[in-house]
Amino acid sequence: DTAVSQTPKYLVTQMGNDKSIKCEQNLGHDTMYWYKQDSKKFLKIMFSYNNKELIINETVPNRFSPKSPDKAHLNLHINSLELGDSAVYFCASSQRDGGIAGGYTFGSGTRLTVV
Amino acid sequence: AQSVTQLGSHVSVSEGALVLLRCNYSSSVPPYLFWYVQYPNQGLQLLLKYTTGATLVKGINGFEAEFKKSETSFHLTKPSAHMSDAAEYFCAVRLTGGGNKLTFGTGTQLKVEL
Repeated sequence: DTAVSQTPKYLVTQMGNDKSIKCEQNLGHDTMYWYKQDSKKFLKIMFSYNNKELIINETVPNRFSPKSPDKAHLNLHINSLELGDSAVYFCASSQRDGGIAGGYTFGSGTRLTVV
Repeated sequence: AQSVTQLGSHVSVSEGALVLLRCNYSSSVPPYLFWYVQYPNQGLQLLLKYTTGATLVKGINGFEAEFKKSETSFHLTKPSAHMSDAAEYFCAVRLTGGGNKLTFGTGTQLKVEL
């Protein structure tokens, strides 16, 4: 069983379209994240949810809207896609309790290409 | 605030040679430190982590890292490089005492040559 699964793996779309990326984890973790990896491989956190509650919201355009229907799912919806949105988007999960400080478990990524 | 700096965006070694990837951190409180590896077109895989206790931590695939508080460093090493080690390596820091945000360095591309 895949621990953190993202769909789709590849997404090619035109500017101005709206698209969603889905993420599910079966690890029983209570916190999920979206990271963006740009063309230079730089990883930047976008959002974090803990038990369906938004706890981290970095400076991300309003066109990006995360949705967490339950603690095992965190979806990312993007409106009015722009060329600069092209990147690889990674979903991850962890336990929030920092005492044990487990690392994140990452999905395999969604490569978004806006043309 | 926390941050990590990875010195050298590209490192090239010969097969069988020592691998040394450098990472320095900045944190206002004792940090948790991580190394992740990313193979081409794949997600990130945890190599090893430092939380508390022993400062020399061993990870998967023969990698290890040493936490040096006095130098604010967490360098990654492997005694003998293998062709399969070629990948992108990321150092990351997470604050203790709450807060889950994992902040990554800019990554180091490791190339292993015959």
